[in-house]
Formats: sequence, structure tokens, C-alpha cells
Amino acid sequence: AQSVTQLDSQVPVFEEAPVELRCNYSSSVSVYLFWYVQYPNQGLQLLLKYLSGSTLVKGINGFEAEFNKSQTSFHLRKPSVHISDTAEYFCAVRDPRSNDYKLSFGAGTTVTVRA
Amino acid sequence: DVKVTQSSRYLVKRTGEKVFLECVQDMDHENMFWYRQDPGLGLRLIYFSYDVKMKEKGDIPEGYSVSREKKERFSLILESASTNQTSMYLCASSFWGAAQPQHFGDGTRLSIL
Repeated sequence: AQSVTQLDSQVPVFEEAPVELRCNYSSSVSVYLFWYVQYPNQGLQLLLKYLSGSTLVKGINGFEAEFNKSQTSFHLRKPSVHISDTAEYFCAVRDPRSNDYKLSFGAGTTVTVRA
Repeated sequence: DVKVTQSSRYLVKRTGEKVFLECVQDMDHENMFWYRQDPGLGLRLIYFSYDVKMKEKGDIPEGYSVSREKKERFSLILESASTNQTSMYLCASSFWGAAQPQHFGDGTRLSIL
């Protein structure tokens, strides 16, 4: 079974500053990894995903994430945030060999961008 | 664009009531999911369905049941609502295949009094 740990529950950041959200996973097999964003009063929206290949994955809204197999990490970054990036961010993992397509989510990281 | 529509954004019910949460998707997705979201716990899977009339238990199925009579519609049923079921409920859908992302509705915030 897989599990996901998001190392920061709250990340305050100033507008135009960089941000990094940390995600570690535990699994004995290769996994698929996802980052989702949830804006206030909305459902989750896919930011990016890692399936295989290049370890640097680019997503929507200027976000990118780096897969590190040895560290079992999938950290999300953005070089310059906007007020509109204020949201909750979820890291999720899935076993590609499993038939249930279940996603295991982290507890979430709340990003608050201040002017 | 994929549209996953949940019938209610906010719902208030009383303990012991039977509660129905409805979800409809318009992309002909095979898979549909119900999650509950609680602060500090992330999303936890209640049930999922990979085909009409098929269902599988997730991590926290106790106190819930589901129904999928048509491909586009997936209902979550609280048989006898209790206060510990007060939560945000999210529906999602996806195509068949582990690499396929899940698409989410906007959620139903359910309060059980």
C-alpha cells in the first residue's frame, strides 16, 4: 500500500516570491504521482502528473514538480507566486498495477499568498 | 471540458435521516468515486464504481452505500445520518486506466444536526 506525507500543512508566502511544497511517498513499487489544487469553494483540479520518463514535470499555471526516486519525493515548485495561487494543494499517489485505480492523498498544504 | 456536477453545494440534515448525494458526469467516464474531505486528513475514498451496477468499497465505507444505475450518475447514500458524517463530500470520475487523472466536482458540504 502507498502513503503520502505532505511535510508542511501551512505555507505563507509573499507575492512574486518562490514557493516549494514538499511531498514524500512510501511505496515498495513504482508509482504514478499527481499534484492537485483546490481553490476556495471548489473541487480539485489537476496541476500535473508524473508517470515515467523525465523527472521534471511541468504543469499548468507555471507550476513544476521534480520526481526523485532515491528520496521518494515529488516536490512542487513555482518560481513566482500570485495572489490567485492561494489555495490548498494535494499530493497523491497511485499504484499503476492496481486494478482499483485508487488515489492515496496527502493531508494537504494550504498556501496563502500575501501582497 | 469535463463537467462533474454535484446536485447540492450545501445540505443540512438531521441525525437518523436517509441522505442522498447525487453526482453526474458528462464525459462518458467508466470510473466514478466518492470521497470525503476533512481538515488535516486530506481526501479519503468511500466507494468507487468501475461500471454500471458495479461498486467497490474504499477506505471508509461504513455507514455509506452507493448506487450506479446509469453510467453518468453515481449516488452516495447515508443510510442513517450521524453527526460524525458532517463533512465535505467530493465526487470524481475518470476514464479506465491507472494513468488517467480524476476529475472532481465542486463538492457538497453536508452538515448533520
